[in-house]
Amino acid sequence: SQQGEEDPQALSIQEGENATMNCSYKTSINNLQWYRQNSGRGLVHLILIRSNEREKHSGRLRVTLDTSKKSSSLLITASRAADTASYFCATDEGNAGNMLTFGGGTRLMVKP
Amino acid sequence: EPEVTQTPSHQVTQMGQEVILRCVPISNHLYFYWYRQILGQKVEFLVSFYNNEISEKSEIFDDQFSVERPDGSNFTLKIRSTKLEDSAMYFCASSKTHLQSASGNTIYFGEGSWLTVV
Repeated sequence: SQQGEEDPQALSIQEGENATMNCSYKTSINNLQWYRQNSGRGLVHLILIRSNEREKHSGRLRVTLDTSKKSSSLLITASRAADTASYFCATDEGNAGNMLTFGGGTRLMVKP
Repeated sequence: EPEVTQTPSHQVTQMGQEVILRCVPISNHLYFYWYRQILGQKVEFLVSFYNNEISEKSEIFDDQFSVERPDGSNFTLKIRSTKLEDSAMYFCASSKTHLQSASGNTIYFGEGSWLTVV
C-alpha cells in the first residue's frame, strides 16, 4: 500500500458519538498532518504533529502518533453533523523534500 | 484568518486548449505549491515553488505544465494542450517555511479550482 493509508475508508456514526480514524505510512517522517475536506471543497488543516510528539489536542480533536508502528489516529469526540466530511492524513516522507503525500481518506458521516 | 484564494472556482475547457489557474497565496508565505485531486482519488503533489523558481516537481508535472509568479501576489498554473485526463480539482497551497523546518510546518490550501476538460 502507499504512504498514508487511512482506515476505515468510510465511517458512519450518530451525533454525539466519537469517531476514530487511523492512518498508516511506510517511510520515516518528520511531520504528519491531518486535513478535512467537505465534499467538493478545499482542504482545511486540522493538526500537525511532529515525529517527536506522541499526542496533540485541538478542541474536540485528538491526534496520536506512534512512529514505531508508523501510524497515527485522529479522534473526534462528541461528533456533530457538521463534522461530516472526508479526513486525510498527509506525511512528508521524512526526506528533505517539501511535498506532502496524502492518503486516500476516511469518509465520515455523522447522522443527526 | 488569512487564506489562500483561487480563481476560477470552476472552468470548463475544450480539449487542446490552454488553461491558466490563478492563486493568491497567504501574504507572508514564501513557499507555494500546486496539488491536484482527480475525482474519487488521492490528492497528488504537482510542484513546489520558492524564491521564484521550481524547487520540486512530481512526475505528473511534465512539459505540459508551468508555474509562474508574475507579480508579488499571484501564483499561476498553466496547463497547455489540455487532455481529458487533466480534469481534476487543482489546489494551490502556501506555507511560511519549508516542510522540514524544525518547528514543523503547516501547509494551507485554497478552495480549489475545478477543471473539466471536454
